[in-house]
Amino acid sequence: EPEVTQTPSHQVTQMGQEVILRCVPISNHLYFYWYRQILGQKVEFLVSFYNNEISEKSEIFDDQFSVERPDGSNFTLKIRSTKLEDSAMYFCARGILRDLGEQYFGPGTRLTVT
Amino acid sequence: GQQVMQIPQYQHVQEGEDFTTYCNSSTTLSNIQWYKQRPGGHPVFLIQLVKSGEVKKQKRLTFQFGEAKKNSSLHITATQTTDVGTYFCAGFRDYKLSFGAGTTVTVRA
Repeated sequence: EPEVTQTPSHQVTQMGQEVILRCVPISNHLYFYWYRQILGQKVEFLVSFYNNEISEKSEIFDDQFSVERPDGSNFTLKIRSTKLEDSAMYFCARGILRDLGEQYFGPGTRLTVT
Repeated sequence: GQQVMQIPQYQHVQEGEDFTTYCNSSTTLSNIQWYKQRPGGHPVFLIQLVKSGEVKKQKRLTFQFGEAKKNSSLHITATQTTDVGTYFCAGFRDYKLSFGAGTTVTVRA
């Protein structure tokens, strides 16, 4: 049973293009996270989002990235001008409590930048 | 920044054997979590350890959290083919999860 769903499952884009990845929670959760995983590498934290605001972000999450919850339901990650090195799996996760941190991941979006 | 190291990177196990994967953090953690990722899949939460010296078991899996809350281990007994995948530890500190590089487990029948 998925905790969150993500669309699209695979996105191919050209370098320099903008992409929007979407995460749809199954139920009304407060804490959301975005991670990326370059092929064969570890999962890397990008950003956490609580109560419609960014809570924490990593060094990876630079000005090229943004997150929002435009309609109170969908949770999006935007990459403004994609680079080849942005090619990765992007996972959305939802959390239960901010202080405990256990997280439940969606199936991911595979982003390929050509 | 926080670093979480995990060894070994690969573990090739004969079915029925035991193995252990180890995780070390450069800083003290609020808690440590373990995830399993099957090939082509997403990380799946296994367990969370919060207290110093905590030990938890899930069937054939035993998880430990070190006294200093900087290291952890996962021990699997009597490995089965269903144990195939990558096991990640993830240290939680300052409301962020830092993942280790993972131990990728393959099983010889």
